[in-house]
Amino acid sequence: AQSVTQPDIHITVSEGASLELRCNYSYGATPYLFWYVQSPGQGLQLLLKYFSGDTLVQGIKGFEAEFKRSQSSFNLRKPSVHWSDAAEYFCAVGADSWGKLQFGAGTQVVVTP
Amino acid sequence: EAQVTQNPRYLITVTGKKLTVTCSQNMNHEYMSWYRQDPGLGLRQIYYSMNVEVTDKGDVPEGYKVSRKEKRNFPLILESPSPNQTSLYFCASSLQGNYGYTFGSGTRLTVV
Repeated sequence: AQSVTQPDIHITVSEGASLELRCNYSYGATPYLFWYVQSPGQGLQLLLKYFSGDTLVQGIKGFEAEFKRSQSSFNLRKPSVHWSDAAEYFCAVGADSWGKLQFGAGTQVVVTP
Repeated sequence: EAQVTQNPRYLITVTGKKLTVTCSQNMNHEYMSWYRQDPGLGLRQIYYSMNVEVTDKGDVPEGYKVSRKEKRNFPLILESPSPNQTSLYFCASSLQGNYGYTFGSGTRLTVV
């Protein structure tokens, strides 16, 4: 069965430190990959997406993600986090271009001073 | 402003009383979708639509109905709500099916 896994439910990081959020998927072919962020009480905002080509993808707010086919992973990174990065982050995977999009359970990021 | 608008933002209802949550987008997007968000489960897709009169089931369609009679609107219908449908619901739209969705602000539904 197709699945999306975010192994870390909760991550605490110091302001200014680097951040890496993990995402693993199980799909038959190379899927469409996305990262979203949800600030408290808000809807979801698209950070970045990968379809094909360069496996290192740049997104908004200083985030980047790297697609690794051999590991079925699409990890999100940020070199230096800001207090405003405290939010919940979701990895999402689409198997086709018809609009079906599956989300992981999310990773809650807490930023400490 | 380009946006997805859901109404209402908050809704408390009783078991069995039919309700509709409206969703409208002003971006001329082809694709629309409904998700529900529950703690620890992330977002689960209920239904999605590729165009007017074309819809398909997502991962958790039981107990829900949708219709797409106009491109801009995609209402979610609960014919007989039950307490296990208490959740935060999001509507979303996309120009293409693989572009990533733009989400509305959410509707928090409580069924008692």
